[in-house]
Amino acid sequence: QKEVEQDPGPLSVPEGAIVSLNCTYSNSAFQYFMWYRQYSRKGPELLMYTYSSGNKEDGRFTAQVDKSSKYISLFIRDSQPSDSATYLCAMSADMDSSYKLIFGSGTRLLVRP
Amino acid sequence: DSGVTQTPKHLITATGQRVTLRCSPRSGDLSVYWYQQSLDQGLQFLIQYYNGEERAKGNILERFSAQQFPDLHSELNLSSLELGDSALYFCASSRGQRGWGEQFFGPGTRLTVL
Repeated sequence: QKEVEQDPGPLSVPEGAIVSLNCTYSNSAFQYFMWYRQYSRKGPELLMYTYSSGNKEDGRFTAQVDKSSKYISLFIRDSQPSDSATYLCAMSADMDSSYKLIFGSGTRLLVRP
Repeated sequence: DSGVTQTPKHLITATGQRVTLRCSPRSGDLSVYWYQQSLDQGLQFLIQYYNGEERAKGNILERFSAQQFPDLHSELNLSSLELGDSALYFCASSRGQRGWGEQFFGPGTRLTVL
């Protein structure tokens, strides 16, 4: 079983829809949670990061972490065709000086005009 | 543009060969991370350097090695290449040792092993 599970999609929505992207994880030591956006043939771009449980909002994006359920979400409001990309969740346990990120496999999102 | 640069963009080579990938971190960043992204394995952490010293290791093969130089640029060396090494290789950088929320990725090097 992978440490981080993410539905690969693709997820196809009409422009203006609210998008919900999710990841589950098994390692209870994870404390830092991130969402990256990756356009085709480009490097991942950091969108949001949160520490421990709770919500964080930035413009049209909201990240939620529920550590009790080992479940994180990214919501995109008023989705735009330019949001079409692969969204990767990533997590870190920050233990033993190992700050490596563990990534989900990514969810491909298509926003139809 | 993240400020992290990687060269070359594309690399095509044969099995058994050795290649070197280069990464320049963002100005002021001391940590460099290397990741491999393949279709079947996703994005996998390989190794981290901080200010010239190795800080963390992931599932990096023994055929692979890396180093960070005094000017903070880093090189990833891949030797005895196999078909399965074909992938995108990303470098990321962060200000300090703790890159958890602050890792900025370069555009990647696409390696094709024939």
